[in-house]
Amino acid sequence: EAQVTQNPRYLITVTGKKLTVTCSQNMNHEYMSWYRQDPGLGLRQIYYSMNVEVTDKGDVPEGYKVSRKEKRNFPLILESPSPNQTSLYFCASSLLAGPRDTQYFGPGTRLTVL
Amino acid sequence: GQNIDQPTEMTATEGAIVQINCTYQTSGFNGLFWYQQHAGEAPTFLSYNVLDGLEEKGRFSSFLSRSKGYSYLLLKELQMKDSASYLCAVRGGFTGGGNKLTFGTGTQLKVEL
Repeated sequence: EAQVTQNPRYLITVTGKKLTVTCSQNMNHEYMSWYRQDPGLGLRQIYYSMNVEVTDKGDVPEGYKVSRKEKRNFPLILESPSPNQTSLYFCASSLLAGPRDTQYFGPGTRLTVL
Repeated sequence: GQNIDQPTEMTATEGAIVQINCTYQTSGFNGLFWYQQHAGEAPTFLSYNVLDGLEEKGRFSSFLSRSKGYSYLLLKELQMKDSASYLCAVRGGFTGGGNKLTFGTGTQLKVEL
């Protein structure tokens, strides 16, 4: 089954404790992206990657890091989480072959930073 | 920059038709997407428009006017399961690797009996 998976699905942590949210897709997609979703603000892009070892900032990259060492994986790293990073996070992926290429979203990770 | 507006909430009756509007102002345009999102779940793709006109897909249709910066999503024969948030998203030009989506804040649709 074609899918995007994220782990963990739920996480409660404390300020300053480094964490990683994993994202993996099995569709051989070149493009992967991380979004956060907050009430009244919609989905906002954090980082994206166009292929292995190619990553760039989205609209809200502060406090986050990413890596793309393999095509299927795109982890999101919070080196020192803060309460304002409490949010619902989605990973998405798509082909880059043409204009109709749709982004497919993972199930989401609900993060609470105390 | 990008600015996308859509109504916050709408209510409609089961079996009826509802139209959800989206207006956008973007620097560059390379397609408009509609996604459906049930509470706490992932957005799922509904439709895509890049040229002016209507795209029909079963009970769902989407319309685009690029000159007016306007789109709508039309849902027919509403069912209770259509109660969800509907997200309008614009892919703008060559920013974000040419595939960046900018989302509106979503329209929460409630379908009533």
